[in-house]
This record gives sequence, structure tokens and C-alpha cells, in this order.
Amino acid sequence: GENVEQHPSTLSVQEGDSAVIKCTYSDSASNYFPWYKQELGKRPQLIIDIRSNVGEKKDQRIAVTLNKTAKHFSLHITETQPEDSAVYFCAASILGGGGNKLTFGTGTQLKVEL
Amino acid sequence: ETGVTQTPRHLVMGMTNKKSLKCEQHLGHNAMYWYKQSAKKPLELMFVYSLEERVENNSVPSRFSPECPNSSHLFLHLHTLQPEDSALYLCASSQVAQGGTEAFFGQGTRLTVV
Repeated sequence: GENVEQHPSTLSVQEGDSAVIKCTYSDSASNYFPWYKQELGKRPQLIIDIRSNVGEKKDQRIAVTLNKTAKHFSLHITETQPEDSAVYFCAASILGGGGNKLTFGTGTQLKVEL
Repeated sequence: ETGVTQTPRHLVMGMTNKKSLKCEQHLGHNAMYWYKQSAKKPLELMFVYSLEERVENNSVPSRFSPECPNSSHLFLHLHTLQPEDSALYLCASSQVAQGGTEAFFGQGTRLTVV
């Protein structure tokens, strides 16, 4: 089955700096790569996703890049703000008739310091 | 109410008890999922129902029994649990369509087995 590895497990940055979180996956058939943000005591919420037919996607301060050959994908947050502090999870799945069965990474605790 | 709602939010049960977790989605989706979130571990997919049919059972012990009576409701029946089953149980839903859609999560049920 799919295996997703995520690094780093913790990341501390100064407000205004950029943050980068990296993931690798093992199943070359995976075609959907979402990123979820989970604040303490709250549900995971999708912040951005990318499909395998695209190499990069951007939404304001957040961007995701995908390298299918190397089976790497990364989350980039620019101009970080204190409200970006949370746990971020990457995931991979094969979208199809059997549903969106996500395999998650272990999470990155991001702390944005003033 | 919109989105994915789970009840109860918190549950404490003894190892000999029987209880059920409930999930309801108001998004018109046709796939629903149970995930387990334990400390220091990635979210683990437990069960998937697509078009009301169970399509995944990730080697979950039989003391966890899912039920999906219709596309909007999902239950997780619990009996004779172990202390290591204490975790946050998250329900999610998505649309199984051309290409599929993102998974939306509920707030979760924090389960403590004593």
C-alpha cells in the first residue's frame, strides 16, 4: 500500500519568513495530494491540493509543488503569520470509484513566532 | 447545520461497554470514511463506504463495527474496547464523481477507554 513520509516534524519560523514542508510517497499510482491544516482541538481542514497532471499550484501565500518522477511534493507558505501556527498534514490517494482513501503523513507542527 | 457533524464530541467508556459514534454529512456526498487519530501517529484510515457499500476495511479489529444506513449517515459501533483504542475518531465525506473531490472532516469524537 501507499506510504507517505513527512519532514520536518516540527518547524519554527519568525513572522514574515517562509516555511517549507516536504513529503514523499511510495505508490506511483497516487494522483491526488492534499494538504490539511489542523489547529488544536479542531478538525483537519483542506488548505490546498494538487493533482498529478499539474506540477505547481498557488493560492495567495500558499503553494504546492509536485515532482512525480521523484515522488516528492512540498508545501510552501510565504510571509508567515501567527495564525499559520498549527499542525500540517500531507496526504496521498488514488481518486476513483472507491472513494478518496487518503494516506497521511505524520504531521508538521508549525510555530510562527513574533 | 452544514458540513460534517459528529456526536458525541467526547466519550468515556469502560472496556465492557457498548457505545456508538455517529456522523452526519450535509454536503450531498456519496462516500464516507472513519479515521483514527492517535498521538504521535498519522491519521489512519479505518473504513470507507462508497455509494453506501463498504469498500475498505483496513485490518481493523472486529470490536469496531461500521454501519452506513444511507449516504448521509455513518456509525461506528464500539464494544469491548481496549485502553489503546483511546484516540480521536474522525469522520469524513467526499463526492465520488469524475475525478473525485476533497474529503471534508468532522470535528471528531474524543474517545477515552478506561
